[in-house]
Amino acid sequence: EAGVAQSPRYKIIEKRQSVAFWCNPISGHATLYWYQQILGQGPKLLIQFQNNGVVDDSQLPKDRFSAERLKGVDSTLKIQPAKLEDSAVYLCASSFATGNTEAFFGQGTRLTVV
Amino acid sequence: DAKTTQPPSMDCAEGRAANLPCNHSTISGNEYVYWYRQIHSQGPQYIIHGLKNNETNEMASLIITEDRKSSTLILPHATLRDTAVYYCIVRVHNNAGNMLTFGGGTRLMVKP
Repeated sequence: EAGVAQSPRYKIIEKRQSVAFWCNPISGHATLYWYQQILGQGPKLLIQFQNNGVVDDSQLPKDRFSAERLKGVDSTLKIQPAKLEDSAVYLCASSFATGNTEAFFGQGTRLTVV
Repeated sequence: DAKTTQPPSMDCAEGRAANLPCNHSTISGNEYVYWYRQIHSQGPQYIIHGLKNNETNEMASLIITEDRKSSTLILPHATLRDTAVYYCIVRVHNNAGNMLTFGGGTRLMVKP
């Protein structure tokens, strides 16, 4: 079974630039998550989708971060404009909507803002 | 979701059992205990979960105390590849998905 795919693997941008990350979840997984992991910390949930609807985006900094999952499959996470403190690994995960207890994570995108 | 407390780091000798503790004294009756681990430069990986009975799978065993206020993840024969950060998470299963709230975890170093 193919895992959660993320791209790019690494990205370096200057502050105030914009950046987008892409995630392709495991086929059939209705629930998709974006996490931010700052160096030395555990992952922090940014947004959770159920199919193409948002379930929880309470920790998403909406003034600069946006995410979409238009067709209920792939998802993109965008930052515009980026700040130095956005430097982190952005992890995408997916799981079945109900009855499944395991979330599968991608390898993440390491973003460095200089 | 209830908060968990884990030691920030632990060492274990290769081939020995690694016992990783987790305190979740405020856990409620419908919250499960989950363990994930994160090997360097990879995303977190599910290990095991349980409600109140002890659980075992091919990766590890989970021992939950009778009052459910603490648990221990056991890797019976640790290898160098088990070096990782181990996260203990408690959460409710809900129909909207499986939201995971990570703490700081325990950094396990398996030494030769």
